[in-house]
This record gives sequence, structure tokens and C-alpha cells, in this order.
Amino acid sequence: DAKTTQPPSMDCAEGRAANLPCNHSTISGNEYVYWYRQIHSQGPQYIIHGLKNNETNEMASLIITEDRKSSTLILPHATLRDTAVYYCIVWGGSAAGNKLTFGGGTRVLVKP
Amino acid sequence: SQTIHQWPATLVQPVGSPLSLECTVEGTSNPNLYWYRQAAGRGLQLLFYSVGIGQISSEVPQNLSASRPQDRQFILSSKKLLLSDSGFYLCAWSVLFAWEAIRNTEAFFGQGTRLTVV
Repeated sequence: DAKTTQPPSMDCAEGRAANLPCNHSTISGNEYVYWYRQIHSQGPQYIIHGLKNNETNEMASLIITEDRKSSTLILPHATLRDTAVYYCIVWGGSAAGNKLTFGGGTRVLVKP
Repeated sequence: SQTIHQWPATLVQPVGSPLSLECTVEGTSNPNLYWYRQAAGRGLQLLFYSVGIGQISSEVPQNLSASRPQDRQFILSSKKLLLSDSGFYLCAWSVLFAWEAIRNTEAFFGQGTRLTVV
């Protein structure tokens, strides 16, 4: 019962920006959008999260549409080490409680 | 600082044998705790989550069970393993949402246990 939809896979050229889309049309007002990534055989790693404003940190930028029904994770200069599965999650708020559910994610392959 | 320990890293068990995977968290109190399973090439499936000692929510009916005997200890068990139980098992913790009091947090994952049932 994942609440997000992501493309199953995408390729990206090394050094170029990678734009990862996510649809979350049923997001409620107090739920945050989170992004995690999972490199093969490791536990997921937190990337970024946001509520309604765009966010940026040392790893990525998060662009959330004004209606909050979709978002885009931007990796500004993809490297080979960014090859991973990227998960978009909506989480938080009293309605969702504490349950944290992942969808299928997007498998990103960064090519030289 | 907070850390999460999960062991063993790899495990090979015969069909029909019991299972016990343990996860412990340090440096925080009253966390949410989660068990996930990931089959080869698949996404993360939430198996159980817990918001407190003795409080377990099961997401997928199966032959696995979970227990939380202490605040920072989460155990995944099975009485008799099936071949289909093979996979990568991950434990995670997060801050407990106190409804509106905590608005944003993140989840922290262990390094996982790769279970092969033969």
C-alpha cells in the first residue's frame, strides 16, 4: 500500500544531473516527502526530506510541486557511486502514524 | 550518538529450522522499530513495526513473528523456516511520532542480515 509512484529504472550519464520523479497524489497536509537510497546489499541511506518548500543539502535537491502531489529529487552531478535504488516515501503526521512503508523505488544506473 | 546493531550479517539455515534475528539500538529511548525483508531484486517489504515494548504491528501474515522485550531490542523469529523466507532482512529505528509534537525525523537502518534457507 505504498503511497508513491516512481519509474522502475532510469539511466544517467556521469557528471550530468539526474532528475528522479515521484508522484504522491494522496499525500496529506502534514506528511513529509522523504528520499532514501539503497546501494546494493546495504541498508537504505537517508538523502533528504521536505514538507512544501524546496530543500537542498550536500547530497541532493528536492523540488516539491505547489500542490504537493509530486516531487523531483535532483542529483546535481551524478557519479558512478550514485548508482543505487532510490525510494520516495511519504511519512509522518498523525494520520499516517509511525508506519514507514517503501514502494518499489527507481533503480538508477549512472554510466561513464 | 545513536547506533543500530543488527546480527548476524549472513546466515544459512535449513528448511524447518528456527530463526532468531536480533536488533538493538543505542543512544536513544522509546524509538519506533521496524523489520523489513527484501527479496532478491525487489523492494523493501515492511514486516513488523513497534511503537513500544510489547507493542507489535504485523503487516504481512506469514510464519514470522516479532517481539520487543526491551525498549531498544527488536527480535525477528520463526519456528520453522521456509525456502521463501530467504532474503535480506533489515532493522530500522526512528523517533516516535508524538502526533504533532515531532514533525520531521528520519529512519536509520542497520546493515542487514542476508538469510539463505536451504
